[in-house]
Amino acid sequence: GNSVTQMEGPVTLSEEAFLTINCTYTATGYPSLFWYVQYPGEGLQLLLKATKADDKGSNKGFEATYRKETTSFHLEKGSVQVSDSAVYFCALSDRDNQGGKLIFGQGTELSVKP
Amino acid sequence: GAVVSQHPSRVICKSGTSVKIECRSLDFQATTMFWYRQFPKQSLMLMATSNEGSKATYEQGVEKDKFLINHASLTLSTLTVTSAHPEDSSFYICSARGGFPYEQYFGPGTRLTVT
Repeated sequence: GNSVTQMEGPVTLSEEAFLTINCTYTATGYPSLFWYVQYPGEGLQLLLKATKADDKGSNKGFEATYRKETTSFHLEKGSVQVSDSAVYFCALSDRDNQGGKLIFGQGTELSVKP
Repeated sequence: GAVVSQHPSRVICKSGTSVKIECRSLDFQATTMFWYRQFPKQSLMLMATSNEGSKATYEQGVEKDKFLINHASLTLSTLTVTSAHPEDSSFYICSARGGFPYEQYFGPGTRLTVT
C-alpha cells in the first residue's frame, strides 16, 4: 500500500541555518504530495503541495520538489527562524487532495535556537 | 480563511464512560470530514471518513461500534468514544474538506485521557 517515510527528529538548528527534511514515498499511480506544519498546541496547516512530477511547491520560504525518479519530496528552507519551530509532516494523497485520503509520514520535529 | 474547530480541546473521563468530540467547519460547508488519531511522537492515523447524511467509512482495524461517527449537517461531525478505556487515550484530530481554496482544513485536536 501507499506509505510515507520521513527522517527522524528532532532536528535542532541555529537561526539562519539551512534546513532539509527528507521525505520519500511509496505509491501506485500518481499521488499528490504535501507538507503540513503543526505548531505547538495547534492543528495542522498546509505548508505546500505538488500535484505532479517535477512540480515545485513553495510557501513562506520553504520549498519541495516532486521527484518521481527518486520518489522523494524533500522539504528545504535556506534560512530558518525561531518561529519555524514546529512538527512537519509529509503526506500523500492518491489523487489530488480534493478527492483522496491523506497518508502521513511520522512527522519531524524542528527546533530552531536563537 | 477556512477554520475548523473542535470541542472540547481536552477531556478526562473515567474508564467505561463515553465521550463525544465535536468537529465544526466555521465558515464553510464540508460534505466530507475525516477523523484521525495521533499518538505521542507519532503520525496521524486516519480512523474514518465521514460523509454528510451517510454512514462513515472506517479504516481497517478501527472498531466502528467503539468509535461512533455522526455527520448530521454540513458543518458538524461528531466522534463518540464509547466505553472508553485507558488505551483509547490519545490526541484526536478532525479535518474538513471544502473552503477556499478547496482543500482539507484541520481542527486543533482534542486530547482525551481515560483514567
